[in-house]
Amino acid sequence: QAQLVQSGAEVKKPGASVKVSCKASGYTFTNFGISWVRQAPGQGLEWMGWSSPYNGETKYVQNLQGRVTLTTDTSTYTAYMELTSLTSDDTAVYYCVRGGSSGPKGWFDPWGQGTLVIVSS
Amino acid sequence: QSVLTQPPSVSGAPGQRVTISCTGGRSNIGAGYDVHWYQQFPGAAPKLLIHEDSNRPSGVPDRFSGSKSATSASLAITGLQAEDEADYYCQAYDSRLSGYVFGTGTKVTVL
Repeated sequence: QAQLVQSGAEVKKPGASVKVSCKASGYTFTNFGISWVRQAPGQGLEWMGWSSPYNGETKYVQNLQGRVTLTTDTSTYTAYMELTSLTSDDTAVYYCVRGGSSGPKGWFDPWGQGTLVIVSS
Repeated sequence: QSVLTQPPSVSGAPGQRVTISCTGGRSNIGAGYDVHWYQQFPGAAPKLLIHEDSNRPSGVPDRFSGSKSATSASLAITGLQAEDEADYYCQAYDSRLSGYVFGTGTKVTVL
């Protein structure tokens, strides 16, 4: 069945960048979008953006525009999320999820196991 | 700040029925966009529970059900069990934000 496996936890200093990977298996990678969702400690879920492995199209949440870049590598069935200019507010668990689109359709299933990113001096 | 509002917590005794509301507006649920629900246990990734308002993925017990009306949606758990104690989130598309939004989340406690 479809599965997403993410890279391990990261500790970064303020102002640095982080790149999280997400390897997909069990389905045709180019048939579904990949979205990224983050969850700050003790907080709710925040959708960050979506990328299409089929054509490279992307869409980002407005408050992260310019700091987040989503990419996909169809040769390795891997999606990437890079976040720059990190602050303590970016400390969170980051999830990749299969789903989303350029429009309103789509739900998120399955979810990766999550990658904890800690931003601390 | 989420555009989908849920009660922070609901509770019930084993066997009871509980409902979780998800209140939105004209740019999301009220626009007719599908509502989806997720269950999250502490320290784990969320899991899809209901998609497209009322559809259960394979493996989800039929004691979970979803509905939608006007600008809100609801998740009902009938025959509440101890293993249902978790956080629950609704999710929909928002045309004003041109993206997906989640509800504020509801913690279900089994008394």
